[in-house]
Amino acid sequence: DTGVSQDPRHKITKRGQNVTFRCDPISEHNRLYWYRQTLGQGPEFLTYFQNEAQLEKSRLLSDRFSAERPKGSFSTLEIQRTEQGDSAMYLCASSLWVAGNYGYTFGSGTRLTVV
Amino acid sequence: AQSVSQHNHHVILSEAASLELGCNYSYGGTVNLFWYVQYPGQHLQLLLKYFSGDPLVKGIKGFEAEFIKSKFSFNLRKPSVQWSDTAEYFCAVNAQGGTASKLTFGTGTRLQVTL
Repeated sequence: DTGVSQDPRHKITKRGQNVTFRCDPISEHNRLYWYRQTLGQGPEFLTYFQNEAQLEKSRLLSDRFSAERPKGSFSTLEIQRTEQGDSAMYLCASSLWVAGNYGYTFGSGTRLTVV
Repeated sequence: AQSVSQHNHHVILSEAASLELGCNYSYGGTVNLFWYVQYPGQHLQLLLKYFSGDPLVKGIKGFEAEFIKSKFSFNLRKPSVQWSDTAEYFCAVNAQGGTASKLTFGTGTRLQVTL
């Protein structure tokens, strides 16, 4: 499978615990994005990387959220001290950004439930 | 800031009926426009996109969309829907220019096609 892979598919955690999600993008893609989707809403942008540099972060990304892409390949999204409001589907996408023309490929997402 | 409105939240059609899903965006500059589809249990998939040129864009599975700049609209159409088109449809916009490439999504339209 040469698509975008996300792990785990589902995560149930107790409030206050830390969780980490992983995203493996399409290997030749230079941009990687994280989105969050709650029930009845469209995906909301969280952050994105070009290679290993984190270029933009949404105001939605509180101090409890951190994302990394250490070698410009896979990325991790960590949520510290989880809250019930963090329950959502976390989507990763990648793209090959060339002179402003690109197409996103989305992964299947990690569904987080905070109890 | 850019925003996207999808006016139809839930649409129910019989097979062979024609489909039109509305999408309006709010942004003063030049935009790239997208329609994504999410089939039950699957990841977001690109249906079609508009970057420039002919405002009538043809996508996969017989879908098309027309960009009307004066109306800030990018409505999705299909002449004859099939039961397999049952899914959630998301319109998205990206502001051209600069280095950011994040997408802003609408809240989605759930399409249910009955036999």
